[in-house]
Amino acid sequence: GQQVKQSSPSLTVQEGGISILNCDYENDMFDYFAWYKKYPDNSPTLLISVRSNVDKREDGRLTVFLNKSGKHFSLHITASQPEDTAVYLCAAGIASSSFSKLVFGQGTSLSVVP
Amino acid sequence: EAAVTQSPRSKVAVTGGKVTLSCHQTNNHDYMYWYRQDTGHGLRLIHYSYVADSTEKGDIPDGYKASRPSQENFSLILELASLSQTAVYFCASRDRGVDTQYFGPGTRLLVL
Repeated sequence: GQQVKQSSPSLTVQEGGISILNCDYENDMFDYFAWYKKYPDNSPTLLISVRSNVDKREDGRLTVFLNKSGKHFSLHITASQPEDTAVYLCAAGIASSSFSKLVFGQGTSLSVVP
Repeated sequence: EAAVTQSPRSKVAVTGGKVTLSCHQTNNHDYMYWYRQDTGHGLRLIHYSYVADSTEKGDIPDGYKASRPSQENFSLILELASLSQTAVYFCASRDRGVDTQYFGPGTRLLVL
């Protein structure tokens, strides 16, 4: 089954608005949560990540919120810009494991329009 | 920043043929991963390795083999390519004790 799920395949946001991307997971053992950004025909790059010992992390216009009891985490992008248009992949894993691997969601395609 | 390269960048293969995708990283990372990307599925893990000469099965290993002959190199082998293996394949590496994975540019594989 899908351990990490992004229920919205696409999202359109007005320039200057807040983009909210959501991700749900199933595995209670996950302790590392990340968002990757991917432009068409490019490779994914890490945007921001958190460990399970915090429930929020900010980095400029980006904020990750983690709700462990709800098995949910989200990415908020404030003051959205056209260059934020991309596919956003959430990922989760067990960082403390020697056999560490990430499970990715299906991706949400964000379009920021003028 | 980590440098991960992949070759070839694109390939057309025939059904039943053998395909080898190569990945090379220059940052002494212990972990290397092979993913495939399909529309609607995001990235799915095929095989990974945390040390040279050892590989582990990921979430979708059927139809694929992997080889890690050295710390720098990690290959993905399709012994008998099938139409369903048409996809974009990404290699990634990660340093021990660090969470970030660094991805290569991807290989676009078309099986006809």
